[in-house]
Amino acid sequence: DAGVIQSPRHEVTEMGQEVTLRCKPISGHNSLFWYRQTMMRGLELLIYFNNNVPIDDSGMPEDRFSAKMPNASFSTLKIQPSEPRDSAVYFCASSAPGTGYTGELFFGEGSRLTVL
Amino acid sequence: AQSVTQPDIHITVSEGASLELRCNYSYGATPYLFWYVQSPGQGLQLLLKYFSGDTLVQGIKGFEAEFKRSQSSFNLRKPSVHWSDAAEYFCAERGVIKAAGNKLTFGGGTRVLVKP
Repeated sequence: DAGVIQSPRHEVTEMGQEVTLRCKPISGHNSLFWYRQTMMRGLELLIYFNNNVPIDDSGMPEDRFSAKMPNASFSTLKIQPSEPRDSAVYFCASSAPGTGYTGELFFGEGSRLTVL
Repeated sequence: AQSVTQPDIHITVSEGASLELRCNYSYGATPYLFWYVQSPGQGLQLLLKYFSGDTLVQGIKGFEAEFKRSQSSFNLRKPSVHWSDAAEYFCAERGVIKAAGNKLTFGGGTRVLVKP
């Protein structure tokens, strides 16, 4: 079975450029999460969606970050303009309905972003 | 604010020796607790979870964890480590508010190195 698919796996860009990260959750999952991982701050939840609706975006660092989920099988995380401090690994995760509030997340392999 | 603490940043263990990773959580009522493992360059994978009932839970790859309410702890153990257990391990707690759904708060992680 296909897991959570993220693209690109690696992205190197220059400060000021727009970055778009993509995620395809596991088919049938109805919750989707974007996490950021850095050495300094560990794993931080940026935003999560339930049934394509953003439920909690309190972790989004600032207005330069935006996330969308136009349908159940696709989400994007956009950074515009990007800054060097945005360099991190961005993970997408999904969870299935019926797991209720059990917290079992399935993670993608991450997108490593480097902003020069 | 809800928090999860993993006191040990790094642990080095010899192959075949036992392993215990510490985790303390902040919310003491009825926590939903998890251990995830992250191999290098990979996303996180669920090892085990605790919701209620038996305080000793079994997970995949020979891991187990014990919930101790009196100590607000959920320590992970393995009787005999294998070289393939070298990874980073994250303890996590589900959101306090039911409406938070599957929102997880992660600890800072413990990196395990396995000596031959």
